[in-house]
Amino acid sequence: GQNIDQPTEMTATEGAIVQINCTYQTSGFNGLFWYQQHAGEAPTFLSYNVLDGLEEKGRFSSFLSRSKGYSYLLLKELQMKDSASYLCAVVTGDYKLSFGAGTTVTVRA
Amino acid sequence: GAVVSQHPSRVICKSGTSVKIECRSLDFQATTMFWYRQFPKQSLMLMATSNEGSKATYEQGVEKDKFLINHASLTLSTLTVTSAHPEDSSFYICSARGHHDHEQYFGPGTRLTVT
Repeated sequence: GQNIDQPTEMTATEGAIVQINCTYQTSGFNGLFWYQQHAGEAPTFLSYNVLDGLEEKGRFSSFLSRSKGYSYLLLKELQMKDSASYLCAVVTGDYKLSFGAGTTVTVRA
Repeated sequence: GAVVSQHPSRVICKSGTSVKIECRSLDFQATTMFWYRQFPKQSLMLMATSNEGSKATYEQGVEKDKFLINHASLTLSTLTVTSAHPEDSSFYICSARGHHDHEQYFGPGTRLTVT
């Protein structure tokens, strides 16, 4: 089976930085996605990593270490609208996605 | 970017009836579509994978006779929940992948409530 772990909840202050970690043990690996999901809505794409290293996109960055089975999503200059659930998803084969349980981030004023 | 639509966005039905949910890729041809289910405060669970013109592949524990999937064209897949029960109440989300794409594009989801 697939095992994808991420923290359940995180809280941070507006303007701060938050790092969401994701560790995985999966049968096969063809890349890792991070998605943002607001309550009652579908996930929206944030990043995709398939090679080791850091991918930066504006306020959001994602890092991958394949040898360690580890990724993180870094959110900088937090805004209230960043309060959402963040999903780590591994592409395990045949383009199937296995999702972690999601991390709920709450941004406080 | 690629757009995927779902219809209906919300549906309430009575126990024992069937409900059909449509998933359409609006501006690209989706060789593969995926159906997920998400219960409150839980993550997305893959139910099945469907390829145009062939039978869907169901994940372990998902009843294929209860969740009927039809992928009749490169832009449309349907999920029919047959003989729905209250425990089938959930958020159903589809996604679509193009032929040369590693990314899946998600539909907006369908909230099903079975009374």
